[in-house]
Amino acid sequence: QSVVTQPPSASGTPGQRVTISCSGSSSNVGSNFVNWYQQLPGTAPKLLIYGNNQRPSGVPDRISGSKSGTSASLAISGLQSEDEATYYCATWDDSLNGHWVFGGGTKLTVL
Amino acid sequence: QVTLRESGPALVTPTQTLTLTCTFSEFSLNSRGMCVSWIRQPPGRALEWLALIDWEDDKYYMTSLRTRLTISKDTSKNQVVLTMTNMDPVDTATYYCARTLSGYSGYYMDVWGKGTTVTVSS
Repeated sequence: QSVVTQPPSASGTPGQRVTISCSGSSSNVGSNFVNWYQQLPGTAPKLLIYGNNQRPSGVPDRISGSKSGTSASLAISGLQSEDEATYYCATWDDSLNGHWVFGGGTKLTVL
Repeated sequence: QVTLRESGPALVTPTQTLTLTCTFSEFSLNSRGMCVSWIRQPPGRALEWLALIDWEDDKYYMTSLRTRLTISKDTSKNQVVLTMTNMDPVDTATYYCARTLSGYSGYYMDVWGKGTTVTVSS
């Protein structure tokens, strides 16, 4: 059971906008930057968002991140079939000498 | 182009010590802000961060595995080594290493290796 909570699943139809939440506490999401990763089946995770809302080069602007208090969100607009993947949030946790935490992952299905 | 590659045994027996090596290119662990992390993923389950080593040789570990993990670096070889003692079947997973940057936007893992699968079985 991760200390950072994500819904296990989400879904949307092509063209729709979907959001995935990431809920933590004051020692992790509330006081540190949040990153988001996309993992396609059988492949390594890929960085989508860093620093709460920054996109690495090559990530389309229909993907965005935000954070408020101890919660963060990933939004994908103009949903496409290739967005079907598992999405993880991750952040540093200041407790216990410091360590990373990943959310439990959200499986996004494009209907 | 930054690349990382994990290497190590595909099969270990219970109670053995696992040693994994991450060999990287196009960056230096001597440079300020550069770090390398190890992350694992049991079959069908979520990502689990294990350890991080930074350019100043500071080390951080997953709390529940702290007593079993050791991370080290050899900057002359561009390698980071992770050892995990007393392996158990529950440690069966794909193990990834990732370049981790530390800066104004906090820490983030921007480039990952393809991963290496480790099975723990007698």
